[in-house]
Amino acid sequence: ETGVTQTPRHLVMGMTNKKSLKCEQHLGHNAMYWYKQSAKKPLELMFVYNFKEQTENNSVPSRFSPECPNSSHLFLHLHTLQPEDSALYLCASSQDHRGRDEQFFGPGTRLTVL
Amino acid sequence: AQSVTQLDSHVSVSEGTPVLLRCNYSSSYSPSLFWYVQHPNKGLQLLLKYTSAATLVKGINGFEAEFKKSETSFHLTKPSAHMSDAAEYFCALEYGNKLVFGAGTILRVKS
Repeated sequence: ETGVTQTPRHLVMGMTNKKSLKCEQHLGHNAMYWYKQSAKKPLELMFVYNFKEQTENNSVPSRFSPECPNSSHLFLHLHTLQPEDSALYLCASSQDHRGRDEQFFGPGTRLTVL
Repeated sequence: AQSVTQLDSHVSVSEGTPVLLRCNYSSSYSPSLFWYVQHPNKGLQLLLKYTSAATLVKGINGFEAEFKKSETSFHLTKPSAHMSDAAEYFCALEYGNKLVFGAGTILRVKS
């Protein structure tokens, strides 16, 4: 596989469920990102990792818990979510975590919280 | 504060006619600027980027954008729209180690 992949592509969960989103990049990049894309709102950066270390947490509620075991994999663990958390969650990677580096995006996970 | 404003939420053009998607930015310095495109059920793909070299930037699929510091603008253009250009377009600026995105412009191309 090439590029950035995300699984699952669609997820429906109840507010008491625990689930995880997975992202994998096959580009040899060092930085990885989680974004939230809600209808009628700009893309919101959630987390940034560079060489497995978290460098940015954009005031994200603790019910979202990221994990970056290595530079190729990024997870987003979900617990006790709210209906307003329903959105498209996009993962991206870049060579480094400088803003001017091109970010490559995965296709996203469409999350619905009931 | 760094911000990006995309002036039109929707733009509709006929196939074969020019495309203009407008983007204004606010920044305390001269930032790097980007245009991304998102087709339905896909992630974002980079169209082009400006990083303080030539002010007219050419991208993929015939798109180009011009950086105008005096107008704080970075509008995206294409001489002739194609049906496959129908998508959502995002303007973004670099801020530290992250990108700040505009709200997006949905481009509709009529046959």
